[in-house]
Amino acid sequence: NAGVTQTPKFQVLKTGQSMTLQCAQDMNHEYMSWYRQDPGMGLRLIHYSVGAGITDQGEVPNGYNVSRSTTEDFPLRLLSAAPSQTSVYFCASSSQETQYFGPGTRLLVL
Amino acid sequence: GIQVEQSPPDLILQEGANSTLRCNFSDSVNNLQWFHQNPWGQLINLFYIPSGTKQNGRLSATTVATERYSLLYISSSQTTDSGVYFCAVNTNAGKSTFGDGTTLTVKP
Repeated sequence: NAGVTQTPKFQVLKTGQSMTLQCAQDMNHEYMSWYRQDPGMGLRLIHYSVGAGITDQGEVPNGYNVSRSTTEDFPLRLLSAAPSQTSVYFCASSSQETQYFGPGTRLLVL
Repeated sequence: GIQVEQSPPDLILQEGANSTLRCNFSDSVNNLQWFHQNPWGQLINLFYIPSGTKQNGRLSATTVATERYSLLYISSSQTTDSGVYFCAVNTNAGKSTFGDGTTLTVKP
């Protein structure tokens, strides 16, 4: 039981490049979410999903796309990377009660 | 949207001391969790506590939902307790709002 896995662990992009951050969970949870964490701050919700085929925007969705074709996977796409998207990205899955977080992806946009 | 405020923002303790961390929230919630982010950045579940009191070893938490606050107690602190403690609340499942955290430093 791996829990929540994220790849890559670290990525450097140039402004304007696109990429996909991968997230997978093996706990059969309905709910999955993406957050970003900037230095000295809490986590802010980017997008979330309440089940396969259903996604919605969080607090800071601009510049990011998501899709949820299966229960297990919830990829986050950066369409055209900007330096303001330099951050640590966390994926989470949850039951009705408890959220479980992946190890995070550190993204640097130059 | 819902506002979550944590206090104090920073806390420095000597090993063995006790501490209380507070989380205030601005609206009714379905769910409240406490997390510990260790120095390596990993987020660890401490408590799921939308109301009432729970204990797990040296840690305990109390949420008074009617008064919109939660408290995290750490007793006999150890250096491994250092890190950032976050409170997160849900109004809808899967959609959490986090506070800015309390950074705890425990000195040997």
